[in-house]
Amino acid sequence: DQQVKQNSPSLSVQEGRISILNCDYTNSMFDYFLWYKKYPAEGPTFLISISSIKDKNEDGRFTVFLNKSAKHLSLHIVPSQPGDSAVYFCAAGGTTNNAGNMLTFGGGTRLMVKP
Amino acid sequence: EPEVTQTPSHQVTQMGQEVILRCVPISNHLYFYWYRQILGQKVEFLVSFYNNEISEKSEIFDDQFSVERPDGSNFTLKIRSTKLEDSAMYFCASIRDRTLSYEQYFGPGTRLTVT
Repeated sequence: DQQVKQNSPSLSVQEGRISILNCDYTNSMFDYFLWYKKYPAEGPTFLISISSIKDKNEDGRFTVFLNKSAKHLSLHIVPSQPGDSAVYFCAAGGTTNNAGNMLTFGGGTRLMVKP
Repeated sequence: EPEVTQTPSHQVTQMGQEVILRCVPISNHLYFYWYRQILGQKVEFLVSFYNNEISEKSEIFDDQFSVERPDGSNFTLKIRSTKLEDSAMYFCASIRDRTLSYEQYFGPGTRLTVT
């Protein structure tokens, strides 16, 4: 099941620079998207979300962009900090024909922010 | 800030044994979920639960699995006869009201090791 894909398994960025994490999806029924951050031995922590009716959502250093025609979303972190080093998961869900609101996750991208 | 909690943090069991994984969702949340992550793989949806019944389940959630909300606070996942391939991190998640928000909040997980 490759409905949500994160093609970059890892990303290394210098502190203070921008981190851009990408995610692609295939299911046009998805109408909301979320980014989660995960440290080892912890559960995913919600970061930011976006509804399919928007193309951008911003929360502090985190901005998510959605390109519906390309079925692509990205998470921008500016400026990146060493504490941002973690695995980032993209997740998608749909409210139509989805009684339980299950989330479908991408495989994750490990972000390393170097001091 | 309220959190989802899970116990135990690590469970080791022998193949064929029954295990019960416990979760305490955030207190005013109404929708509950179980996900799992096999080492090196994606986070996968297992089941969603609302109003004391399953609203959706995945193919993984076969007859060996069951969920229950026995006392209005705990939310449990039971695996009747564990197999080696059930070894994974199991995450519980919850949403207050999925008509208002789709952001699922995850617990720290239970690492299940089947030997």
